[in-house]
Amino acid sequence: NAGVTQTPKFQVLKTGQSMTLQCAQDMNHNSMYWYRQDPGMGLRLIYYSASEGTTDKGEVPNGYNVSRLNKREFSLRLESAAPSQTSVYFCASSARTGRGASYNSPLHFGNGTRLTVT
Amino acid sequence: DAKTTQPPSMDCAEGRAANLPCNHSTISGNEYVYWYRQIHSQGPQYIIHGLKNNETNEMASLIITEDRKSSTLILPHATLRDTAVYYCIVRVGGAAGNKLTFGGGTRVLVKP
Repeated sequence: NAGVTQTPKFQVLKTGQSMTLQCAQDMNHNSMYWYRQDPGMGLRLIYYSASEGTTDKGEVPNGYNVSRLNKREFSLRLESAAPSQTSVYFCASSARTGRGASYNSPLHFGNGTRLTVT
Repeated sequence: DAKTTQPPSMDCAEGRAANLPCNHSTISGNEYVYWYRQIHSQGPQYIIHGLKNNETNEMASLIITEDRKSSTLILPHATLRDTAVYYCIVRVGGAAGNKLTFGGGTRVLVKP
């Protein structure tokens, strides 16, 4: 059981280049999330997908786009990378407990993609 | 979401219990308390969560005060592998997904 898998693990980009970070989960979770973590800081939510077919902005969405490709996969795209996007990117997923219930299931995280933009 | 306050760092002796405090004085009645930890260079790891009752699992215990304005995470027998940053988060689950807001956390160093 792999859990949440992120690819690539490391990436170096030049300013202006584009790339897509991939995330897949095998836990049949409905909700998926993208966070970024800058050195010495806590995690900040970029985008999330509460269920297949829906995506919503988080705290820091500017400069990013996302695609919920299917229930398993949630990708994060940088169209024109900037040095300010140098960070560690974490993908996470969580289950839903049913319509109308409190969705209090924990998040499961991948081990991150370390991105450097020069 | 309610804001949480944690000490920035604390040390703990190996084999002893580690008690990590968290204040969340503005917590609402339907907000849960979650604890995660992040070991260096890894993704955050879920530890435990609760609403108002004390909770225990194989990793830790969570003690929530009766007024729910603070909580304590207890690692019963700390090991060197428990050295990590511990995050206390308060969040209400909802239809928009269970997104969490991470603060600065407590950096715990377990010493031999």
